[in-house]
Amino acid sequence: AQRVTQPEKLLSVFKGAPVELKCNYSYSGSPELFWYVQYSRQRLQLLLRHISRESIKGFTADLNKGETSFHLKKPFAQEEDSAMYYCALPQGAQKLVFGQGTRLTINP
Amino acid sequence: EAQVTQNPRYLITVTGKKLTVTCSQNMNHEYMSWYRQDPGLGLRQIYYSMNVEVTDKGDVPEGYKVSRKEKRNFPLILESPSPNQTSLYFCASSPGGAYYGYTFGSGTRLTVV
Repeated sequence: AQRVTQPEKLLSVFKGAPVELKCNYSYSGSPELFWYVQYSRQRLQLLLRHISRESIKGFTADLNKGETSFHLKKPFAQEEDSAMYYCALPQGAQKLVFGQGTRLTINP
Repeated sequence: EAQVTQNPRYLITVTGKKLTVTCSQNMNHEYMSWYRQDPGLGLRQIYYSMNVEVTDKGDVPEGYKVSRKEKRNFPLILESPSPNQTSLYFCASSPGGAYYGYTFGSGTRLTVV
């Protein structure tokens, strides 16, 4: 079965510093991967998806099939980026498999 | 506005008292799903539905029921809630399933005492 691993439960960086949230997956084909963000007490929102190659709120993510990774990056962190971030992978059409999430805190 | 609406947002109930959490989407999406979110466990799928009258179990279906009588609604039913069902619940919908991503509701925080 597909699996998503986010090795860091907590990540703290200073405002203006680069951010990288790690995501590794197990899947034998060409995966479709997502990053979701959950701000305090709010719903999960789609941040970006692999196939669209968009940059949302300054975040980007590149699929590395060799390393089976889909790390989320932002060159300069902002305080409003503090949130919970989840990486997700479809398992069939019926389910998204989520990693356990990384809580990102941006220090002023 | 395109959205998934869940009610109630917060609910405290007692063990064994049947309850229903409603979910409605206005995007004409085929797929709907329920997840629960627990600290340290992330999000786990409870049930999903691929269309009207088509539902199936997710990873943690025990103690839950669902129905999909209309395309827009997908209620989650707890026939006899227990304290281990205390959790944050999210309903989600998708136009074509997981490969398209899901749009999530605002969540329902349930406490069973």
